[in-house]
Amino acid sequence: KAGVTQTPRYLIKTRGQQVTLSCSPISGHRSVSWYQQTPGQGLQFLFEYFSETQRNKGNFPGRFSGRQFSNSRSEMNVSTLELGDSALYLCASSGTGQETQYFGPGTRLLVL
Amino acid sequence: GQNIDQPTEMTATEGAIVQINCTYQTSGFNGLFWYQQHAGEAPTFLSYNVLDGLEEKGRFSSFLSRSKGYSYLLLKELQMKDSASYLCAVKESGGYNKLIFGAGTRLAVHP
Repeated sequence: KAGVTQTPRYLIKTRGQQVTLSCSPISGHRSVSWYQQTPGQGLQFLFEYFSETQRNKGNFPGRFSGRQFSNSRSEMNVSTLELGDSALYLCASSGTGQETQYFGPGTRLLVL
Repeated sequence: GQNIDQPTEMTATEGAIVQINCTYQTSGFNGLFWYQQHAGEAPTFLSYNVLDGLEEKGRFSSFLSRSKGYSYLLLKELQMKDSASYLCAVKESGGYNKLIFGAGTRLAVHP
């Protein structure tokens, strides 16, 4: 099976812009979670989607949003970018009844 | 509150054994994970413990004591390629797939 894929892999934006990141889970996986990884804060949970519904959310401002499509692919959007949003954004998928989450390669976002 | 502690850095010699500890305080508990992350790469799954005891998988073993809020990852016969960050993560009960991660332990393996 193909692993979790994320596009784009690298992105440079300027403050105030918005960005959309995409994640395709492992085939058959319906749960997609998003995490932000920074040197200072480590890996932090953003939100989880299951069957097109957000079922858990971390402590991030409303500028961070996401959605999931019927084929389980997920997107996350960050509006009004700030310098502090520079990070590696990782998505992870897991199958129904399975505990383990498998991570994609991440999208490295740089905000200038 | 939620708190997961693990050492920031460790060094070890090729061929040796190293133990990376993780202590946690979370609201409910539904499993503990260890992930390996090489620089610039995604975390890869190593082990999962939900019951007390030792889980062994090749050169890697992971131990859990729920009463003590404690886990360790044991790496045997260290190889240079084991130089990476090791992340301890807890799944809280009722949190679906939300993982709370420790800051990670950067392991350097020297010849």
